[in-house]
Amino acid sequence: GESVGLHLPTLSVQEGDNSIINCAYSNSASDYFIWYKQESGKGPQFIIDIRSNMDKRQGQRVTVLLNKTVKHLSLQIAATQPGDSAVYFCAESTSGTYKYIFGTGTRLKVLA
Amino acid sequence: KAGVTQTPRYLIKTRGQQVTLSCSPISGHRSVSWYQQTPGQGLQFLFEYFSETQRNKGNFPGRFSGRQFSNSRSEMNVSTLELGDSALYLCASSSGGRNEQYFGPGTRLTVT
Repeated sequence: GESVGLHLPTLSVQEGDNSIINCAYSNSASDYFIWYKQESGKGPQFIIDIRSNMDKRQGQRVTVLLNKTVKHLSLQIAATQPGDSAVYFCAESTSGTYKYIFGTGTRLKVLA
Repeated sequence: KAGVTQTPRYLIKTRGQQVTLSCSPISGHRSVSWYQQTPGQGLQFLFEYFSETQRNKGNFPGRFSGRQFSNSRSEMNVSTLELGDSALYLCASSSGGRNEQYFGPGTRLTVT
């Protein structure tokens, strides 16, 4: 069935380094993707989105890359800060379904 | 703009009881989605409403139901509660198209 998964359940990075969080999706019909950040005790927070007609999209300190050929999505965080410590989820959606399928999540730990 | 609000934030119920959770979307947003989050299953889609119409439903038993009112506020109901229904229930709102979806803080339901 449809699924969205992550390669690394936990990622530890040094403060100031760049972080890369990966996500694989299985539904080739998925055409809209969102990255979320969830801190303890809070709901997921929208970070950045990308549509399938794009390969790359940049935000403030974040970049999302989409490789439709291998059905892979990544989130790059530049100059990782302690406040970036959280669980990150990717979510995918297919036109006409009005729902999002979430990955299992990756915990990002920023080391001082 | 006020964010998505959910009430109550915490709830403890006994097996067999029923529960109603409430969600108020961001002003102007007409789409409301509900998700169940558990450590074992992650974020699972429950249903989505737009202009009082359910447009999609996830793979949950009929004990889970929802509705949306004319002011876009939404409620979800779980009847005959089971221990496995213990979870964080999240509500998300968007303008209705496939674009940014914003989450509330969630309702933590504990079934004993």
